[in-house]
Parts: sequence; C-alpha cells; structure tokens
Amino acid sequence: ETGVTQTPRHLVMGMTNKKSLKCEQHLGHNAMYWYKQSAKKPLELMFVYNFKEQTENNSVPSRFSPECPNSSHLFLHLHTLQPEDSALYLCASSQDSGTYTGELFFGEGSRLTVL
Amino acid sequence: AQSVTQPDIHITVSEGASLELRCNYSYGATPYLFWYVQSPGQGLQLLLKYFSGDTLVQGIKGFEAEFKRSQSSFNLRKPSVHWSDAAEYFCAVGEGNTPLVFGKGTRLSVIA
Repeated sequence: ETGVTQTPRHLVMGMTNKKSLKCEQHLGHNAMYWYKQSAKKPLELMFVYNFKEQTENNSVPSRFSPECPNSSHLFLHLHTLQPEDSALYLCASSQDSGTYTGELFFGEGSRLTVL
Repeated sequence: AQSVTQPDIHITVSEGASLELRCNYSYGATPYLFWYVQSPGQGLQLLLKYFSGDTLVQGIKGFEAEFKRSQSSFNLRKPSVHWSDAAEYFCAVGEGNTPLVFGKGTRLSVIA
C-alpha cells in the first residue's frame, strides 16, 4: 500500500452509535490531520498531530475524539453524532506540521452519513 | 482574519479552451500559496505551490499559477483544457506556522 489510506470509505450510523474512522499513511511522515469537507463550505481543519502529539484542535465538539497511537495511524472516534455531522472526512499527512510549508497528502476520504 | 476567496463556484469550459480560476487571499505577510485538485470520489492532490521567487509557478498536468502581490491573487491557468480536468479546484494559503486555510472550491465542468 502506498500513500494515505482511509477506511471505511462509506459509513452510515445512527445518532446513538459509536464508530471509528481509520487513517494510515505509508509515506514516513510525522504529521497527520483530520479535515471535514461539507458541501459549499471550505475545508475545515479539525485536528493536527505532530509526532503523535496533538498540536491543533479547532474547537471540535467532544463527540469527535481523535487518537494517534503512532505517526502512521490516526483514528477519529465518533459517538452521539448529529445529522449535521454528515460529511466527507479527509485524512492528510505531511512531513511535519512545524512550518506548514510542506505538501499535504490526502486520503480518499470517509463519507459519513448520520441518520 | 485570514481568508481565501474563490469567487467562482462553478465554471464550464469547452475542451481545448483556456482556463483561469481565480483566488484572492487576505493575509498580513507574504503567504505560502497552493492549488489542490479533487477528482470525484478522491482526496485532494497538490497541483502547484508558491513559496518565494519567480511569481509564475508551473505545476503538474500543464497547470500554472501567477502570484500577484498587488492584487493579493494567485490565479490558476491552463492554456488548453482536457476533459479529464473536470474536477473541484481548491486554493489554499498558509503563513508557515499556521495551518492552511482553504477556499470553498471551484467546480470545473468540461464540455465537448
């Protein structure tokens, strides 16, 4: 596998469910990101991890809980979501997040639908 | 506040025609500038970036962009569009120690 891989590609969940999104990067990068992409809105940065440490939390509701066990893996744990949380969730990686001048490498996204 | 504006939500061009996608930004200093492309069902892919130096930068797939400080713009151009260029295009801006800010995107349709 190469690049950034996200699973599952599609997820439908009820508001009371608990599910997780997974991201894995095979690029040897040190920084990983979660973005939310909703229709007609700019890409929203949710979380940034650099060398497994969270460096950005963009005022994301606590029903989204990230986990970064190592520099290659990133999870987004979901619980008691709302219908407005339905969106495409994109994972990205970069060499590091210290200067943000590096290229971001994106996965194909996980399309989440909350019923 | 930092902001990125892509004024055109949707553009339709004929195959073989030239293309220009607009991007304006509001930043205090000289920013780092990026254009990304997202094909349907895919993640974003970097087309090109500008950090410093020559204000005309070349990217992949025949795209280029020009940084104009006086106009706070970083417009993306291609002289001859191919049907495979149909996608969503995102301008992004950063300042080195802050995360990238993305525009809302411009959807490009290509007709025969």
